[in-house]
Amino acid sequence: SQTIHQWPATLVQPVGSPLSLECTVEGTSNPNLYWYRQAAGRGLQLLFYSVGIGQISSEVPQNLSASRPQDRQFILSSKKLLLSDSGFYLCAWSVGLIYGYTFGSGTRLTVV
Amino acid sequence: DAKTTQPTSMDCAEGRAANLPCNHSTISGNEYVYWYRQIHSQGPQYIIHGLKNNETNEMASLIITEDRKSSTLILPHATLRDTAVYYCIVTPRNSGNTPLVFGKGTRLSVIA
Repeated sequence: SQTIHQWPATLVQPVGSPLSLECTVEGTSNPNLYWYRQAAGRGLQLLFYSVGIGQISSEVPQNLSASRPQDRQFILSSKKLLLSDSGFYLCAWSVGLIYGYTFGSGTRLTVV
Repeated sequence: DAKTTQPTSMDCAEGRAANLPCNHSTISGNEYVYWYRQIHSQGPQYIIHGLKNNETNEMASLIITEDRKSSTLILPHATLRDTAVYYCIVTPRNSGNTPLVFGKGTRLSVIA
């Protein structure tokens, strides 16, 4: 069966520090991968998505970047965190839209 | 540009049916209606989807009007664990590579 792993579950980082969040998928090949963010009391915002290794599409200009070094690995990074980067970060995968998206358990990032 | 309109919040008594409406008056012929829900501090969970016929699974039923301009998600016997934000999403049928865009959804509160 397919599973998605996302870590860490919670993270507190000082302003100006770097960030690396990792997401891996098991049990499927060539998944589409997504990073979403949910700020406190707000809706889900799509940040990045990838349809293949090395292929990254960015939805909004921001202080973040994404990379997909392997087929089932998706990494969200920042060189210098801002206070506004705080939020709940969710990774998701899909194989064709018809089967829907499967989300990870999320990382709650607090920038202090 | 919002493709769907949902009430901000709804209450439902435990054990009763919860009927969550969604308006998608600009839906086109090749677009599906998807429903997801997000329980607090978790990632969204796929519920059901449909094109033009009514659909039912172990979680819910989806009723789509004949003109496809609106739909209703039905939770037949709501429990406290169904308290969540419910998202109605319209997306093209053959857009496996086009990310889902989540709106603000409906916050359903199931009351004992």
